[in-house]
Amino acid sequence: NAGVTQTPKFQVLKTGQSMTLQCAQDMNHEYMSWYRQDPGMGLRLIHYSVGAGITDQGEVPNGYNVSRSTTEDFPLRLLSAAPSQTSVYFCASSYDLTSSYEQYFGPGTRLTVT
Amino acid sequence: GQQVMQIPQYQHVQEGEDFTTYCNSSTTLSNIQWYKQRPGGHPVFLIQLVKSGEVKKQKRLTFQFGEAKKNSSLHITATQTTDVGTYFCAGRKTGNQFYFGTGTSLTVIP
Repeated sequence: NAGVTQTPKFQVLKTGQSMTLQCAQDMNHEYMSWYRQDPGMGLRLIHYSVGAGITDQGEVPNGYNVSRSTTEDFPLRLLSAAPSQTSVYFCASSYDLTSSYEQYFGPGTRLTVT
Repeated sequence: GQQVMQIPQYQHVQEGEDFTTYCNSSTTLSNIQWYKQRPGGHPVFLIQLVKSGEVKKQKRLTFQFGEAKKNSSLHITATQTTDVGTYFCAGRKTGNQFYFGTGTSLTVIP
């Protein structure tokens, strides 16, 4: 199994540009989530999904959209990038959060918005 | 505001010394997980605690969940250079979200 994969690893955007961060998992996990990590802030939940077709907002959802059309994929879209969105983004998946299984994290995407 | 507080933010220890990081929540948690993140890496799951007063050990690591399920700690005995990294707690309340602490960055001086 490849586990959780994320692309790209690095990205530089100009203010106002849009892009999609890709996330995929091959473990047949129902629960997937996106976090951003900023210095001194820990990881903050952006959006999450408990299964295909179901998404919900986390702590910091503004400026981000998600969709979950398949179990495997959970892309994160930035519609109009802002410098405040400069961060490291992690995608994570878990078999079933209601039973509190561990979360498996992808390698991360380091995004810089100028 | 931060849902789960974690202290200290940084800790430098001599190799062989002990290390402890603490997590506190203002509300009761259903369970808490601990993760380790090496520099430049991604968080990796260490353990989960569910029961009030639960204590779990993994070799030199001891994890505790408070009686009120509002606090937790990770204690490392006799640190080694391989313990370097940032340790995060992640608490879950009743919904589908985990709230991560701000992390404790551990530096081990050989």
